[in-house]
Amino acid sequence: AQSVTQPDIHITVSEGASLELRCNYSYGATPYLFWYVQSPGQGLQLLLKYFSGDTLVQGIKGFEAEFKRSQSSFNLRKPSVHWSDAAEYFCAVAFSSNTGKLIFGQGTTLQVKP
Amino acid sequence: NAGVMQNPRHLVRRRGQEARLRCSPMKGHSHVYWYRQLPEEGLKFMVYLQKENIIDESGMPKERFSAEFPKEGPSILRIQQVVRGDSAAYFCASSPPNRGTNGYTFGSGTRLTVV
Repeated sequence: AQSVTQPDIHITVSEGASLELRCNYSYGATPYLFWYVQSPGQGLQLLLKYFSGDTLVQGIKGFEAEFKRSQSSFNLRKPSVHWSDAAEYFCAVAFSSNTGKLIFGQGTTLQVKP
Repeated sequence: NAGVMQNPRHLVRRRGQEARLRCSPMKGHSHVYWYRQLPEEGLKFMVYLQKENIIDESGMPKERFSAEFPKEGPSILRIQQVVRGDSAAYFCASSPPNRGTNGYTFGSGTRLTVV
């Protein structure tokens, strides 16, 4: 079955430290890959997406993600975390660009220590 | 250009009542998607609609839930005879024709509380 796994439910990092959030998917072919961020009580904002081409994708707010086909992973990274990055992060995949259906991981809650 | 508008932002219903959630897509978007987010969980796909058509309702519960996207007006997600387990955040997204997940924009959600 097609699925998305975010192994870390909660992560705490110090402000200024680097960050990596993990995402793995289960699917026979290469899906379309997304990272969204959700602040408390808010909707989802797209950080970045990968459809094809360069496997290192740059997004908004200084985030980047790398697609690794051999590991079925699409991990999100940021070199230096800011307190305003505290939020919930969701990895999502689509197995066709036009079906309209996204499958989301369970989410990772990021806490930033001063 | 206004984004995807959902209303109400918060909705409280007693068990057994009906809940109606509205979603107005972005201008130029003719595709609407509904997702449900239960506490401590990720978003789960419910239904994908185009104007006057349900394209994929594979995520909709078999009973009490229905969705429509009429030719005029917003998309409506309707939950009849609500139960406590329906308490969740319901998100709508819209996209232009032929863009699918590449063109998604999410609304801010409706938080339904069943008491």
